[in-house]
Amino acid sequence: GAGVSQSPSNKVTEKGKDVELRCDPISGHTALYWYRQSLGQGLEFLIYFQGNSAPDKSGLPSDRFSAERTGGSVSTLTIQRTQQEDSAVYLCASSAAGGESSYEQYFGPGTRLTVT
Amino acid sequence: AQSVAQPEDQVNVAEGNPLTVKCTYSVSGNPYLFWYVQYPNRGLQFLLKYITGDNLVKGSYGFEAEFNKSQTSFHLKKPSALVSDSALYFCAVRLEWGSARQLTFGSGTQLTVLP
Repeated sequence: GAGVSQSPSNKVTEKGKDVELRCDPISGHTALYWYRQSLGQGLEFLIYFQGNSAPDKSGLPSDRFSAERTGGSVSTLTIQRTQQEDSAVYLCASSAAGGESSYEQYFGPGTRLTVT
Repeated sequence: AQSVAQPEDQVNVAEGNPLTVKCTYSVSGNPYLFWYVQYPNRGLQFLLKYITGDNLVKGSYGFEAEFNKSQTSFHLKKPSALVSDSALYFCAVRLEWGSARQLTFGSGTQLTVLP
């Protein structure tokens, strides 16, 4: 079946512009995660959605970052007033609702964001 | 707070030899442990996990890992390395309980299998 998809695969933007990154999780997966992978910081957790519960935003690095998940499926990560330090690969993952398979997170290919 | 350490940035091994990629963790409570692999310009791919039970867990592509609670380690192993195993490997941990289901990753180990 289809895996996690992300778009765009690459995004180049000018400093100060806003960007939106999209994630389509695996169908039926209720949990959705955003991570950021950068040379200096490695893999960092950003935000986590589980069903209709309030998201866990504890990993968002600043208030310029926000995310939403519509209809319990597609998610959009928005970065406002982008800075050069936002340049990274943004990874989305999803997992099933319960049972042992819920422990496995399936990752998309990522969006490479470059802020010039 | 939980953390993961991968002490080796780079591991080189000859094809056909056994390989080990090291991982140690620190959590307050029982850990769930994972290994992921990342090929160039690709997302992370799940290899295996330890949740409970047998300390030796087997995963995809012939990889296995041993959970050692006393040493707080979860080293990844394979009896005979292939050139195609060359990739970036990440160890990750999350707590057994609580609402925090996100993974905390190590810094990654670049494995190179030499022909």
